[in-house]
Amino acid sequence: EVVLTQSPGTLSLSPGERATLSCGASQSLTRNYLAWYQHKPGQAPRVLIYSASNRASGIPDRFSGSGSGTDFTLTISRLEPEDFAVYYCQQYDASPLTFGGGTKVEIK
Amino acid sequence: EVQLVESGGVVVQPGGSLRLSCSASGFTFDDHAMLWVRQAPGKGLEWVSLINWDGSHTSYRDSVKGRFSISRDNSKDSLYLQMNSLRPEDTALYYCVRAHDSTGYSNLNYWGQGTLVTVSS
Repeated sequence: EVVLTQSPGTLSLSPGERATLSCGASQSLTRNYLAWYQHKPGQAPRVLIYSASNRASGIPDRFSGSGSGTDFTLTISRLEPEDFAVYYCQQYDASPLTFGGGTKVEIK
Repeated sequence: EVQLVESGGVVVQPGGSLRLSCSASGFTFDDHAMLWVRQAPGKGLEWVSLINWDGSHTSYRDSVKGRFSISRDNSKDSLYLQMNSLRPEDTALYYCVRAHDSTGYSNLNYWGQGTLVTVSS
């Protein structure tokens, strides 16, 4: 099973700041099949990024994904008030599908 | 508009059984694999099971193998999860999720609001 480790666990930032979230895989994702999701309390998760770096439909361009192999990054260039949430990475490169433990982005 | 509406979550005793349902609309149901993903209280997201577009392939996380069974009825645009021998650690919000493609090994681009399963005596 591919274990995904997200860091940091919590990120305390102010609106307008840049957020950098990391996701490390225990083995190489050979096809870079990694997605990022945003999850707010009481709402359904929504996909932001797929295949490591492709923005999903309707996602603002302040969200970007990068990385390959075992190291992946989600960057939010300038935090908007609605961006404070929990973010999960997920791999679909190998069975079983697995999620990281999440990074909470909170208002400083 | 894609909609996924889960139902069937209740409080059940350990060892009991439950069947979750998910009604889908707004897309061609049999073009897509479907999954169940859960979130235990205060915890992260956890994949439970997936089924490909025609039901010929299913997969389960180890902790539910032999106890849970996923199925779909493409004539009714519906997904199901039969849950048997329930344990307290199965307590979670269960999300019905649509995969981007027909196999299930793709990003998960639509999620329902979830249905709460509580296993407690």
